[in-house]
Amino acid sequence: QSVLTQPPSASGTPGQRVTISCSGSSSNIGSNYVYWYQQLPGTAPKLLIYRNNQRPSGVPDRFSGSKSGTSASLAISGLRSEDEADYYCTTWDDSLSGRVFGGGTKLTVL
Amino acid sequence: EVQLLESGGGLVQPGGSLRISCAASGFTFSSYAMSWVRQAPGKGLEWVSTISGSGGDTYNADSVKGRFTISRDNSKNTLYLQMNSLRAEDTAVYYCAKESDSSGWYGVDYWGQGTLVTVSS
Repeated sequence: QSVLTQPPSASGTPGQRVTISCSGSSSNIGSNYVYWYQQLPGTAPKLLIYRNNQRPSGVPDRFSGSKSGTSASLAISGLRSEDEADYYCTTWDDSLSGRVFGGGTKLTVL
Repeated sequence: EVQLLESGGGLVQPGGSLRISCAASGFTFSSYAMSWVRQAPGKGLEWVSTISGSGGDTYNADSVKGRFTISRDNSKNTLYLQMNSLRAEDTAVYYCAKESDSSGWYGVDYWGQGTLVTVSS
């Protein structure tokens, strides 16, 4: 059971917009930055969003992040087949004095 | 270019010990916290340990407390994870990860390719 809750799966057709949620509490998402990662099959995770809503250079602007209270979301617009991957949210938890991850969301492009 | 190269993974018997390493380059190593994150086969990401840039502060997941020790040698730009009393459930790919600040409280911005640790008799 992960401290951060993500839906196990999400799907969409090419060109659609999908959102992936990440729910936590006041000790984690409520008081710290949220980061999002994309993990393609057989590869290491890659940073998609940092500090809630910032995109590293090289990440397409189709990817966006937001945070409100104790929840965060990753939105992917103009869905493409190469977006099919696992997506993870993470943040620091002040009560646990450690990092926590969501369980991951497997995105399928239909 | 940031590069993180893990080494030292392999097969170890239950109850055994193993030390894995991560050679870092492309950034000022001592200015950033570093972490180990693992992924069991077919499972999600699990945070293991974090060490501050100076090495003065360490944080460990409850699942490894008292068994794993994270350390760093800033003169060699190298991160370590000493794993003792290994269990079958420690079997995973272990990723070396660079944090985006010196404390480790913000988030990881770069990942290594991982090293596989298998605990089995």
